[in-house]
Amino acid sequence: EVQLLDSGGGLVQPGGSLRLSCAVSGFTFSSHAMSWVRQAPGKGLEWVSVISGRGGTTYYADSVKGRFSISRDNSKNTLFLQMNSLRAEDTAVYYCAKDRSEWDLHFDYWGQGTLVTVSS
Amino acid sequence: EIVMTQSPATLSVSPGERATLSCRASQSISSNLAWYQQKPGQAPRLLIYGASTRATGIPARFSGSGSGTEFTLTISSLQSEDFAVYYCQQYKNWPLTFGQGTKVEIK
Repeated sequence: EVQLLDSGGGLVQPGGSLRLSCAVSGFTFSSHAMSWVRQAPGKGLEWVSVISGRGGTTYYADSVKGRFSISRDNSKNTLFLQMNSLRAEDTAVYYCAKDRSEWDLHFDYWGQGTLVTVSS
Repeated sequence: EIVMTQSPATLSVSPGERATLSCRASQSISSNLAWYQQKPGQAPRLLIYGASTRATGIPARFSGSGSGTEFTLTISSLQSEDFAVYYCQQYKNWPLTFGQGTKVEIK
């Protein structure tokens, strides 16, 4: 059974940092790109970042470029999102999402989400 | 950036009726379109990819069509569990973008 478990969210002050994790099981982690997608309270979905299976290719939304960094540890089946210089508009539920194939860029399994609140 | 526009924002439908949801892309995305369903407090669920291919385990009452800039998700006979918000997503160009969602509510 495929499982994705997001963690690491919480309350952080503007300008602060947070590191999200997503522990996965039930599939060959290194064979799939992984993404982070966020959802502000009461709003729609916004793609944040993607990383290829081996970690050599990454892309970011313009809204987070230069502040967020995606990475993965294939030996530990874990995906990360390092978030720096956080702003109020980064407040959202953050979901990790598994690519349906190696690099299809749509998502067949999602984590349960972890809430990040940026506020003073 | 490719803008995805969904209509209507809210669709009121009676159980057993057909629901037709639209998604328009600001430029051609070929068939690089996915549909997701999201219920309150839950993560999204993949319904359709490649504009018309049902994902694993998705009931046949869900169907997708279209290519280029105009796409449709049809739910042939709404069940109680289908009342939710539906999002389209393009994966033709960076950044990946979602529509703003269509809420399907009970009439």
